[in-house]
Amino acid sequence: AQSVTQPDIHITVSEGASLELRCNYSYGATPYLFWYVQSPGQGLQLLLKYFSGDTLVQGIKGFEAEFKRSQSSFNLRKPSVHWSDAAEYFCAVGARARRGGGADGLTFGKGTHLIIQP
Amino acid sequence: GAGVSQSPRYKVAKRGQDVALRCDPISGHVSLFWYQQALGQGPEFLTYFQNEAQLDKSGLPSDRFFAERPEGSVSTLKIQRTQQEDSAVYLCASSLGAGRLTYEQYFGPGTRLTVT
Repeated sequence: AQSVTQPDIHITVSEGASLELRCNYSYGATPYLFWYVQSPGQGLQLLLKYFSGDTLVQGIKGFEAEFKRSQSSFNLRKPSVHWSDAAEYFCAVGARARRGGGADGLTFGKGTHLIIQP
Repeated sequence: GAGVSQSPRYKVAKRGQDVALRCDPISGHVSLFWYQQALGQGPEFLTYFQNEAQLDKSGLPSDRFFAERPEGSVSTLKIQRTQQEDSAVYLCASSLGAGRLTYEQYFGPGTRLTVT
């Protein structure tokens, strides 16, 4: 079964500084990879996704992520954070659908809480 | 366009009561998922529908949990005889479905269930 590790529970970054949130996954093949953001009282919003091809993917709100197969990682980056980026960030992996139908849902990490300092 | 909607947004139930949580997916989305998110945790998969067929219910924690999607659109998650450990946010997600698009999921705001 697949698993996702987000090693940082909290990260504090100054407004305008760069950001990198770490994500490591465990899966027997190349997974589908996602980053979601969750603001208080809100549902999860999809930031970006990786299915195949170019390992550097661009998302919304100026975020990008890089898939590194050798490190089983899919770290999220942003060159300059804004106060509105303060939220909970979740990395998720989707397993390939089983033959004959059916699909596992997304497997999420425990999340990283991003705090923005003025 | 309209996103995924869920109702109620908040539900308080006394232990032992039955509850029903509703999800309206994005129109035309074939796949529908339910997740449970405990406080301070990431969402955990409960069950998956493709149209009206429940193809995976491996994440349902007990036989007190039951989900249906009879016409392939709106879905209801029912919890019978609620227990305190059922307190969580229940998230619904939908996707266009089929192949990898199944995994590009769009989430509703969730229903926060508190069992007292």
